[in-house]
Amino acid sequence: GQQLNQSPQSMFIQEGEDVSMNCTSSSIFNTWLWYKQDPGEGPVLLIALYKAGELTSNGRLTAQFGITRKDSFLNISASIPSDVGIYFCAGQLEVGNEKLTFGTGTRLTIIP
Amino acid sequence: DSGVTQTPKHLITATGQRVTLRCSPRSGDLSVYWYQQSLDQGLQFLIQYYNGEERAKGNILERFSAQQFPDLHSELNLSSLELGDSALYFCASSVGYSRREKLFFGSGTQLSVL
Repeated sequence: GQQLNQSPQSMFIQEGEDVSMNCTSSSIFNTWLWYKQDPGEGPVLLIALYKAGELTSNGRLTAQFGITRKDSFLNISASIPSDVGIYFCAGQLEVGNEKLTFGTGTRLTIIP
Repeated sequence: DSGVTQTPKHLITATGQRVTLRCSPRSGDLSVYWYQQSLDQGLQFLIQYYNGEERAKGNILERFSAQQFPDLHSELNLSSLELGDSALYFCASSVGYSRREKLFFGSGTQLSVL
């Protein structure tokens, strides 16, 4: 099935560092979403973006909908231990909420 | 707690068998989605139901089927299981299906086919 290219695949950082990850696609999306998945749990929505160029924050998280509509970025500032997990981008091509296409995930690990 | 309940949490079975995964959506949600998460394929959309009717279909195999009942709970049936069907199966729900509605995911059912 179709997937979005997400990078990096994994990150090892120290507490307090800032984190950046991105997602790219060969297709244009109408909506970009960022999810976080903790071990043994389902994905939880962090940020939703609906317009090209849109920049949205949720606490220490900031995400942007790329101008080309083919990419999106997520930044986490001043990372804390509970930020550990897998971050997924997801894009929606069609009107309606169905058929979200998910990225391959970025696994974030915080080194003590 | 997302409010979406999936049972069972773990399922171990053999090739060729048939299993049923169950999902209860959040109270008030009419849309139910099924996703498969495997190591090599990531999260793949399988199928969506809205108020009892199939609304969208993704990469769902013919051996798999789903339905949504009048009480809005949903079941995903997997038959003639193969080793490659081993994966985490997630159910998600939302009130409707507009793109601005948030999806709430359950904790998943881990299926192991031996």
